[in-house]
Amino acid sequence: DGGITQSPKYLFRKEGQNVTLSCEQNLNHDAMYWYRQDPGQGLRLIYYSQIVNDFQKGDIAEGYSVSREKKESFPLTVTSAQKNPTAFYLCASSPRDGSDLYGYTFGSGTRLTVV
Amino acid sequence: AQSVTQPDIHITVSEGASLELRCNYSYGATPYLFWYVQSPGQGLQLLLKYFSGDTLVQGIKGFEAEFKRSQSSFNLRKPSVHWSDAAEYFCAVDGSSNTGKLIFGQGTTLQVKP
Repeated sequence: DGGITQSPKYLFRKEGQNVTLSCEQNLNHDAMYWYRQDPGQGLRLIYYSQIVNDFQKGDIAEGYSVSREKKESFPLTVTSAQKNPTAFYLCASSPRDGSDLYGYTFGSGTRLTVV
Repeated sequence: AQSVTQPDIHITVSEGASLELRCNYSYGATPYLFWYVQSPGQGLQLLLKYFSGDTLVQGIKGFEAEFKRSQSSFNLRKPSVHWSDAAEYFCAVDGSSNTGKLIFGQGTTLQVKP
């Protein structure tokens, strides 16, 4: 079955470390997104990519980086510059045309904790 | 800038009772509107979406939503709530049709009493 896989499900980071969250999709979707979720704040967009080798900053990109070398993959790196990285991170993808336009499919998330 | 407001952070209803979750948006033109549901520790699942046409939209799991342009609202309803409906619900808007970016509300947590 097609879907989005995020790994790991739980991740612990020491202060000052960079960590990378994986997001892989086999839906043949063009667009991919990373959101951060904090209690009471909904989902906030970190980065998004509409096509391979191109990506754009979202509303809270500082302290994060991404790459989009393959259509299927959109990894997110949380750098040491992100001062408050403890959160639930969600990856999503969507087609950019067709009858399912704007139909986001979400992964099951990665919970990152700074220790 | 586009925004989405869900006025109710937490709602409790009895099983079998009707449900209405409120959503208000801010956008100049007719937006694309969505409702998602999230179970604890999971990703989001699309319940329904509105692009154009009939303002009453039917979704999965017996949910429906009505787009009211005059009130800038897109409230989610269900006639009879089941215990399994307990979850967090997010309203979202896509006001930037060229990017597909969704802007989410803060979410409403639904608790169902037996």
